[in-house]
Amino acid sequence: GEDVEQSLFLSVREGDSSVINCTYTDSSSTYLYWYKQEPGAGLQLLTYIFSNMDMKQDQRLTVLLNKKDKHLSLRIADTQTGDSAIYFCAESSNYGGSQGNLIFGKGTKLSVKP
Amino acid sequence: NAGVMQNPRHLVRRRGQEARLRCSPMKGHSHVYWYRQLPEEGLKFMVYLQKENIIDESGMPKERFSAEFPKEGPSILRIQQVVRGDSAAYFCASSPIMQLDRGQRGYTFGSGTRLTVV
Repeated sequence: GEDVEQSLFLSVREGDSSVINCTYTDSSSTYLYWYKQEPGAGLQLLTYIFSNMDMKQDQRLTVLLNKKDKHLSLRIADTQTGDSAIYFCAESSNYGGSQGNLIFGKGTKLSVKP
Repeated sequence: NAGVMQNPRHLVRRRGQEARLRCSPMKGHSHVYWYRQLPEEGLKFMVYLQKENIIDESGMPKERFSAEFPKEGPSILRIQQVVRGDSAAYFCASSPIMQLDRGQRGYTFGSGTRLTVV
């Protein structure tokens, strides 16, 4: 089967960098995603990385992928109070011939202190 | 360009009643996915549909739950004889036809329907 693991909580000070980590088990995943969920809202796609990439940068966001260790991280530079939310790591599933549904971690709740 | 529309946003049902959750995908998207989010949990895949066709229902509970995506109209997730354990947020996502596009753009999620069973 597949599993995606994340730490549940992260607290940082405004202006610092945040690093959210994720491990996954399905080595055949083609894409890996980071989603953001604010309270009472749906999921917003932040960024994705293709499995043959090591790094992807998008403004304040940097995604690092270590395919050998099946480890994914999301770094948010200059974290702001508006970044406070739950961040979900997800992999596209190829298990059992599925058509690409997503497997989610439980989410990391990021708290940003002023 | 409206996103994925789900309604109602909040739904309260008594035990034993039926719950119907609706999802209209983004314009141009023909694939619909339903996910359930239990409190303090991540999203769990339930079912994947195309128009008039269930592609993968491996995440659906065997009883009381059904889903459809008719030729016309929204996708419906139906829960019969609801129980307290069905209380959760139910999210719908849609994606484009082409797998490459799907990978690069991810899946667009609606704001969810929060079901409370009392």
